[in-house]
Amino acid sequence: AQKITQTQPGMFVQEKEAVTLDCTYDTSDQSYGLFWYKQPSSGEMIFLIYQGSYDEQNATEGRYSLNFQKARKSANLVISASQLGDSAMYFCAMIPWDSNYQLIWGAGTKLIIKP
Amino acid sequence: DVKVTQSSRYLVKRTGEKVFLECVQDMDHENMFWYRQDPGLGLRLIYFSYDVKMKEKGDIPEGYSVSREKKERFSLILESASTNQTSMYLCASSATEASGNSPLHFGNGTRLTVT
Repeated sequence: AQKITQTQPGMFVQEKEAVTLDCTYDTSDQSYGLFWYKQPSSGEMIFLIYQGSYDEQNATEGRYSLNFQKARKSANLVISASQLGDSAMYFCAMIPWDSNYQLIWGAGTKLIIKP
Repeated sequence: DVKVTQSSRYLVKRTGEKVFLECVQDMDHENMFWYRQDPGLGLRLIYFSYDVKMKEKGDIPEGYSVSREKKERFSLILESASTNQTSMYLCASSATEASGNSPLHFGNGTRLTVT
């Protein structure tokens, strides 16, 4: 069965430190995509970054980067120089290519940045 | 920017009531989705629609129905609300099948309490 696992239910990180949020996935598909979303306390899910399974380079978007290790089936989100506004829930999700539009979501990690 | 608007931020309904959750997107997206979010469970897909008047069941359609009479509007209907439907409901839209170029865009969510 296809599955996303986020093993860290919660994390505390000091402001300005880098943080890595873990995501492992389970699929037998060769083609798939991986997403990270941020959900602040306001409730809106905000798209952060995407990695395709055939992308040769790790995706980066500003302070966000995705550490994609295909053989290990991991897609960890790295936030550099964390800020107080990074405090939120973070969700990893996968879309298999034959998914019929259905993303598979992890349970999320609650990140709290300490001043 | 894509805007997905959910009609209510908070709703309190009684058991047995018929409940309508409305969602409107302003970017002419083909696909619209209704998710339910519960702590520790991530997001679970209730229904999605890839075209006007088209709908597909997601992972947990029981107790719900949907309507998409116009491209920009996707309604979630609880025919007879029950306490186990107390949850956060998230609407999303995407231009095409989800990818880095077409991520899901979410509304702010509706927190429904059924008493």
